[in-house]
Amino acid sequence: EDQVTQSPEALRLQEGESSSLNCSYTVSGLRGLFWYRQDPGKGPEFLFTLYSAGEEKEKERLKATLTKKESFLHITAPKPEDSATYLCAVQAGSNDYKLSFGAGTTVTVRA
Amino acid sequence: GAGVSQTPSNKVTEKGKYVELRCDPISGHTALYWYRQSLGQGPEFLIYFQGTGAADDSGLPNDRFFAVRPEGSVSTLKIQRTERGDSAVYLCASSRSSSGANVLTFGAGSRLTVL
Repeated sequence: EDQVTQSPEALRLQEGESSSLNCSYTVSGLRGLFWYRQDPGKGPEFLFTLYSAGEEKEKERLKATLTKKESFLHITAPKPEDSATYLCAVQAGSNDYKLSFGAGTTVTVRA
Repeated sequence: GAGVSQTPSNKVTEKGKYVELRCDPISGHTALYWYRQSLGQGPEFLIYFQGTGAADDSGLPNDRFFAVRPEGSVSTLKIQRTERGDSAVYLCASSRSSSGANVLTFGAGSRLTVL
């Protein structure tokens, strides 16, 4: 069974204080690793897909990286509007339509 | 439509009642998914439709849960004899196809509270 573990559960940052979120996974035959952002009362919003170890993707202050066992989401010089819950999910094996999510990391950025 | 639309946004019901939750996916998206999200947790897969048929309903917790998509567009999640443990946010998502590492677009969810 696919397992996705995110850490830390919560992260409080000062504006401009860079940090990283971790997503470790155990799957058979990774097809893709996804990062989503979720604001309170909203559905998850797609950020990135990573397909193979060594791959990196960037969007504004966010950068996602992937190894064979984990992914990191780096937040550089965060702003208060980066406050959200960040969800990691994997698609693996023959069930390539199914996302298995971690519990998320809730990031709060103080001005 | 421009996004995935879910109604109602909030539903409060009493234990034992029947509930229907509706999802209107993005126009042209053939794949549709239902997920359930409990407080402090990530979404959990319930069921996946390709067109009109349920291709995988392995995530439905028991036979009180049922979903349909009769015309390959709008879907309804039906819950019979609701229990307090059914309280959660029910998320619908759609994608252009189900092949490969496809990107799911989620709706805002229907928050169900069973008293």
